[in-house]
Amino acid sequence: QQPVQSPQAVILREGEDAVINCSSSKALYSVHWYRQKHGEAPVFLMILLKGGEQKGHEKISASFNEKKQQSSLYLTASQLSYSGTYFCGVGYGNQGGKLIFGQGTELSVKP
Amino acid sequence: DAGVIQSPRHEVTEMGQEVTLRCKPISGHDYLFWYRQTMMRGLELLIYFNNNVPIDDSGMPEDRFSAKMPNASFSTLKIQPSEPRDSAVYFCASSLGGQGINQPQHFGDGTRLSIL
Repeated sequence: QQPVQSPQAVILREGEDAVINCSSSKALYSVHWYRQKHGEAPVFLMILLKGGEQKGHEKISASFNEKKQQSSLYLTASQLSYSGTYFCGVGYGNQGGKLIFGQGTELSVKP
Repeated sequence: DAGVIQSPRHEVTEMGQEVTLRCKPISGHDYLFWYRQTMMRGLELLIYFNNNVPIDDSGMPEDRFSAKMPNASFSTLKIQPSEPRDSAVYFCASSLGGQGINQPQHFGDGTRLSIL
């Protein structure tokens, strides 16, 4: 069951903040976040496991709301290098390494 | 360390031909995944292996697609016969073992496949 990402696209000016959401109708076990630049492979950002913990590095962080079955990715003080398509990949419990990816959120950061 | 290596990077062939995509995972990784990415359908999991054994092939579109992993350092995805609707970017990814779902997946650069 594919998770739903919102918004589908967002345009920012350098220095602005953004939030990308990933929602599921099924109970989530883990959420992965990846960023893909045009013509390149997806690159891993972070993993969150059920328990509501927040993770982050530099100015990109994420949270996992187990009650809402939702994860949010926070990008603060955006930089030009943040541009790309962000995907969440969700794992539904005891399914080995299987992830189902959302449709992606295209983020454009302008100078 | 070398990342996931895929070949070829680009493939253009005619409808009906056999296509073979190749992947070398990161050494020591126990999981290997094959994905297909298109504008319409996004990033779809086709099949994944754990310790060279296929675990879930429910994403393989039809019998024309097959995948093998004869050893820990090599996997192939074959399409026979190929059709124009198979045109896509095919990614291979690998991850460490344990509870695979807790491990980051490392993607190769992909194979851009065009079927004429």
